[in-house]
Amino acid sequence: NAGVTQTPKFQVLKTGQSMTLQCAQDMNHEYMSWYRQDPGMGLRLIHYSVGAGITDQGEVPNGYNVSRSTTEDFPLRLLSAAPSQTSVYFCASRLAASSTDTQYFGPGTRLTVL
Amino acid sequence: GDSVTQMEGPVTLSEEAFLTINCTYTATGYPSLFWYVQYPGEGLQLLLKATKADDKGSNKGFEATYRKETTSFHLEKGSVQVSDSAVYFCALTLITGGGNKLTFGTGTQLKVEL
Repeated sequence: NAGVTQTPKFQVLKTGQSMTLQCAQDMNHEYMSWYRQDPGMGLRLIHYSVGAGITDQGEVPNGYNVSRSTTEDFPLRLLSAAPSQTSVYFCASRLAASSTDTQYFGPGTRLTVL
Repeated sequence: GDSVTQMEGPVTLSEEAFLTINCTYTATGYPSLFWYVQYPGEGLQLLLKATKADDKGSNKGFEATYRKETTSFHLEKGSVQVSDSAVYFCALTLITGGGNKLTFGTGTQLKVEL
């Protein structure tokens, strides 16, 4: 098992550019989510999915889109990057949506928006 | 809303010292509680968890007891090592119908010196 994988590891964008952060898991997990990590603010939930075809907003969804066409993949799209989106992004997955199972995190993508 | 409060860091200790990182929570229901650890340059990984009052989670010499009366889940270790240097996050989740969300504290950085 590769667990949760994320690409790229690092990315630099200019303001207004768009990009997609990739996330995949090979554990057949039902629940997947995206967080951003900023200094002094912990991790904040951006979007989450409780299964293929089902997504919902988290705490800080503005400026981001997601889709979940397969169980394995949960890409995060930045439509028009802004400097405020400079952050470290983590994808995570959990076996069941409504449970207290362990949540597994990917290694993160460090994004800088100039 | 639900929230987690952790002690400010960084915490700097000498090797073999006793560690306590305080964590308190506010929740509308009866949460499960977690400690996650993030080593430099990596994603978060579960350290321990507790799902009901008076439960004690333990792993790698770390312990935390779920105290409902004080709404606390303090992390302790009797003798820290340099390899324990990391950022520690306290988190909670409540079982809901639409996908349990993890709510994180802001994290506490631990530095252990020889």
